[in-house]
Amino acid sequence: DGGITQSPKYLFRKEGQNVTLSCEQNLNHDAMYWYRQDPGQGLRLIYYSQIVNDFQKGDIAEGYSVSREKKESFPLTVTSAQKNPTAFYLCASSRERFSYNEQFFGPGTRLTVL
Amino acid sequence: KNQVEQSPQSLIILEGKNCTLQCNYTVSPFSNLRWYKQDTGRGPVSLTIMTFSENTKSNGRYTATLDADTKQSSLHITASQLSDSASYICVVSAVSGYALNFGKGTSLLVT
Repeated sequence: DGGITQSPKYLFRKEGQNVTLSCEQNLNHDAMYWYRQDPGQGLRLIYYSQIVNDFQKGDIAEGYSVSREKKESFPLTVTSAQKNPTAFYLCASSRERFSYNEQFFGPGTRLTVL
Repeated sequence: KNQVEQSPQSLIILEGKNCTLQCNYTVSPFSNLRWYKQDTGRGPVSLTIMTFSENTKSNGRYTATLDADTKQSSLHITASQLSDSASYICVVSAVSGYALNFGKGTSLLVT
């Protein structure tokens, strides 16, 4: 059963802590993406990766870090430098990185800072 | 600047009624336009994709239209069901580059 999985579904963090959100895909897609969604706003791109061991900053990368050591995995770390991390985080993948390719989304992780 | 504007921001309709959601964009050069449905607390799921040469595309009770000249698209939902309650997001791609251009979505509630 192909798809994208994200874990955990809900995550709570104390201020000053780093947390890592997991994203795994078995679609054999080369490109993977992380988005942040806030109420009343469109999705905003945090980071994207078009191939293993390569990734690029998106529009709102400050306070976040990623790695792409395996084709199937693209974890996102929310660091203490991110001033307002409470949001819904969505991971996506596509066959290639170009925007005309359909992006398939995971179920999301809701991060709340206490 | 590439922009995608959706209207209305929110909509409430009675079960069984029809509704139409609007999307205006300034993305250029245009590649394709997708409508996604996002249930609360879930990831978006693609409903339709439209390219420059397509005017209308249907997916069950969902019908999308595209006017590339006026840069407008609509999503028409026929005989609405309670399960249609969701956010509908318009996403426009340019010919080159990697970035998608997302609208803020229309929140639909079917009661």
